[in-house]
Amino acid sequence: AQRVTQPEKLLSVFKGAPVELKCNYSYSGSPELFWYVQYSRQRLQLLLRHISRESIKGFTADLNKGETSFHLKKPFAQEEDSAMYYCALSEGGGGADGLTFGKGTHLIIQP
Amino acid sequence: EAQVTQNPRYLITVTGKKLTVTCSQNMNHEYMSWYRQDPGLGLRQIYYSMNVEVTDKGDVPEGYKVSRKEKRNFPLILESPSPNQTSLYFCASSLLGGSNSPLHFGNGTRLTVT
Repeated sequence: AQRVTQPEKLLSVFKGAPVELKCNYSYSGSPELFWYVQYSRQRLQLLLRHISRESIKGFTADLNKGETSFHLKKPFAQEEDSAMYYCALSEGGGGADGLTFGKGTHLIIQP
Repeated sequence: EAQVTQNPRYLITVTGKKLTVTCSQNMNHEYMSWYRQDPGLGLRQIYYSMNVEVTDKGDVPEGYKVSRKEKRNFPLILESPSPNQTSLYFCASSLLGGSNSPLHFGNGTRLTVT
């Protein structure tokens, strides 16, 4: 069965410092990976997908199949990045079957 | 064990036949929410509830109803399902609903409407 691990419940960094939110997964096939974000008083929303290979709000995430990781990175953190971040895995095929979430990492950016 | 339980896991139905997907949490959470996941679109919020008898629309509420008569239960009701509601549905809950409260997800309900 697939599993998503976010080892850090809470991550606190200073404004302007680099940020890396870790995500490791276990799945035998070709997964599709997502990062979701929930800002204070807002609903959960999709941040980025690995197949898009895009940068959203300065964040990037590269799928490393060798290390089975999909870490979320940003070179210079901003205060508005404070939020809860969830890594999620889908079984591929366009994300139609099965979605497994990590337990989330609460990111706090200190001024 | 703390969990969010959805039933059923799989459901195949026909157009127009009313159905209910149940969601129950045993963590005394105030916030509950329903999402649907479709290929290439990620999760989209249908409805959410901040507390008993308090519900509000999410991004895609059309064709759905919810109720929150008790804190632990948040059923999703499709009065007249249509094929475009074929999707994977997730229920989630959190203690308070803000970014400081981690979401706990159910295992999902795969709905097919023919």
